[in-house]
Amino acid sequence: QSALTQPASVSGSPGQSITISCTGTSSDVGGYNYVSWYQQHPGKAPKLMIYGVTNRPSGVSNRFSASKSGNTASLTISGLQAEDEADYYCTSYAGSGIHWVFGGGTKLTVL
Amino acid sequence: EVQLVESGGGLAQPGGSLRLSCAASGFTFSSYWMSWVRQAPGKGLEWVANIKLDGSEKYYVDSVKGRFTISRDNAKNSLYLQMNSLRAEDTAVYYCATHSGYRFDYWGQGTLVTVSS
Repeated sequence: QSALTQPASVSGSPGQSITISCTGTSSDVGGYNYVSWYQQHPGKAPKLMIYGVTNRPSGVSNRFSASKSGNTASLTISGLQAEDEADYYCTSYAGSGIHWVFGGGTKLTVL
Repeated sequence: EVQLVESGGGLAQPGGSLRLSCAASGFTFSSYWMSWVRQAPGKGLEWVANIKLDGSEKYYVDSVKGRFTISRDNAKNSLYLQMNSLRAEDTAVYYCATHSGYRFDYWGQGTLVTVSS
């Protein structure tokens, strides 16, 4: 069982928007502004999409945005494209004892 | 261009050992914390360990404490993971990743470790 809870799957049609949630506790997501999101295509390495809750690294499309409210972080992908079909993982810093926790991952299907 | 290339994976027996390596290039290796993250077949990601710029601080997930040792050689731009007392549940793809500002910036392609008799 993963420390952070994500839906197993979400889907959307091209052009639509979807949101993936990531629920933790006050000891991780709620306690730090250190939530990041990763995209992973099958057989490939994860790629950083969002860091520090809302920040996009250079080169990541502005169709990707994120936020946090309390113990739940969210990733929104707008204007869905076929290439967005992938697994998405959230992670959060969890303090000096546990350090880093990941979500179980969400499979995004573009219909 | 940042490159991280893992090696050293393979088949090990339960109770056995393996040493993973990660060769880094395209960035100033000594300026980054580094991490190992693993992914069991068909499962999600799990942080395993990380190490400070100069190797003076090391942290581990509870399930590998006392069995795995992370280390680095900044002169060789290399990161290592010595894995002892391997268990079936250690079977996974192991990724090395740069670690800065509380995020995992860049990842290697991973190396598969299979623990089985």
